[in-house]
Amino acid sequence: NAGVMQNPRHLVRRRGQEARLRCSPMKGHSHVYWYRQLPEEGLKFMVYLQKENIIDESGMPKERFSAEFPKEGPSILRIQQVVRGDSAAYFCASSPEGARTYEQYFGPGTRLTVT
Amino acid sequence: GESVGLHLPTLSVQEGDNSIINCAYSNSASDYFIWYKQESGKGPQFIIDIRSNMDKRQGQRVTVLLNKTVKHLSLQIAATQPGDSAVYFCAENGGDSWGKFQFGAGTQVVVTP
Repeated sequence: NAGVMQNPRHLVRRRGQEARLRCSPMKGHSHVYWYRQLPEEGLKFMVYLQKENIIDESGMPKERFSAEFPKEGPSILRIQQVVRGDSAAYFCASSPEGARTYEQYFGPGTRLTVT
Repeated sequence: GESVGLHLPTLSVQEGDNSIINCAYSNSASDYFIWYKQESGKGPQFIIDIRSNMDKRQGQRVTVLLNKTVKHLSLQIAATQPGDSAVYFCAENGGDSWGKFQFGAGTQVVVTP
């Protein structure tokens, strides 16, 4: 059973470009969470999604950031017009249904560098 | 200007000794807590969890203690090994019924031979 997969692992973008980060949850998991981690800091919650629904996006910046989890395919975190402050590691986690939604399994992360 | 990164608290432990990592959580509504281990370049890995109706839980070589009165959590690692070198984070759920976690800043554990 493959774990949570994220790609790309490393992404370099120039200021003003768009960044697309992909996350494939574990098989059978229908909940996806995105977190951002700055160097030497803990993870900060960004958004929680279920298939075709955004459940909680309270940690997501109001502008330039969006997330989706379509019926088919991976979850996508999209950052438009990237700025240097967007440079960070972005982690995706997934969890199963029901009472076990606390069990979050993390992917290896995408390290975004904005030049 | 340049941003100055925070320096993680560091715990140096000799191989074979016990480690104790502390965490002060912030939200009195939190009723579920997890300790994660993060190795360099990898995602967080679940170690052990505890619910607020417990004050102690043991796993393999690890024990988590919860003191709700002072909002304090600790992780004890017995007989620390080189493979335990990593950053350790505590996470709290903030009372949410689903898994929106708030992470602490982390503690760097360095195991020396």
